[in-house]
Amino acid sequence: DTGVSQNPRHKITKRGQNVTFRCDPISEHNRLYWYRQTLGQGPEFLTYFQNEAQLEKSRLLSDRFSAERPKGSFSTLEIQRTEQGDSAMYLCASSGGQGFGTNEKLFFGSGTQLSVL
Amino acid sequence: GESVGLHLPTLSVQEGDNSIINCAYSNSASDYFIWYKQESGKGPQFIIDIRSNMDKRQGQRVTVLLNKTVKHLSLQIAATQPGDSAVYFCAEPSGYSTLTFGKGTMLLVSP
Repeated sequence: DTGVSQNPRHKITKRGQNVTFRCDPISEHNRLYWYRQTLGQGPEFLTYFQNEAQLEKSRLLSDRFSAERPKGSFSTLEIQRTEQGDSAMYLCASSGGQGFGTNEKLFFGSGTQLSVL
Repeated sequence: GESVGLHLPTLSVQEGDNSIINCAYSNSASDYFIWYKQESGKGPQFIIDIRSNMDKRQGQRVTVLLNKTVKHLSLQIAATQPGDSAVYFCAEPSGYSTLTFGKGTMLLVSP
C-alpha cells in the first residue's frame, strides 16, 4: 500500500453517463497527478496539480474531462458524457518533490478501472 | 527466453534465474530514468532510478544499467522470485512535471 487511495476501484457505466473518481494522496504530498492506462500500454499523463493549482493538462484531456483539487488535498476527476473509448484504468499519483530535476518519485494508487458499455 | 506477446514483450524465466529487462529511449537529452513494477490490479510501484551521470546503480536484488551511447537502459533482477512476476516499465521525465512511460515488459517467473 503506497498510501495513495483511489475510489471506486471499479466503475461500470453506460455510454453518455457522467462519472467521478476520487483520489486521496499521501497527506504531505503537494503534487498530484492523474494518468490513464489502457490494456498493454504504459500510463499516459493527463494532468497534474501543485497544491490546489492545476498546472498542466495533456492534450489527451478533452473538454469532457475535468479535474479539481479544491483544498490542495484530495482530487476528483470527472468524465462527462462517457464514450466507450474512455474505458481504461485511471491512476492517481502523488509526490512531495519539486519536479523531475530533483529526482521526483511518484507514488501511485491502485487505480479506478472504468468500463463504458 | 524473450518473446513478443500480443500486447507486451514477455520474458519467461525460472525461479532463481537472473532476469534482464531492456528499455530503449529516444531523447538523448534525458537525464533521469526510473523503473516501475506493476502487479496485476495495482498501480506502478517505484523500483529504482538513475541519473545520466551514472552508468550503474544497485538496489536490493536489482541493478539498473544505463548506456547513453546507444540510449539503452536495463533492469537486472538477481535470483528472480515468483513475486517478481509483473509488468516492468521504464520511464523518463518529459518536461518538468510529467513522466513518459515505455510500453512495458511482462516478466513471468515459473517456480
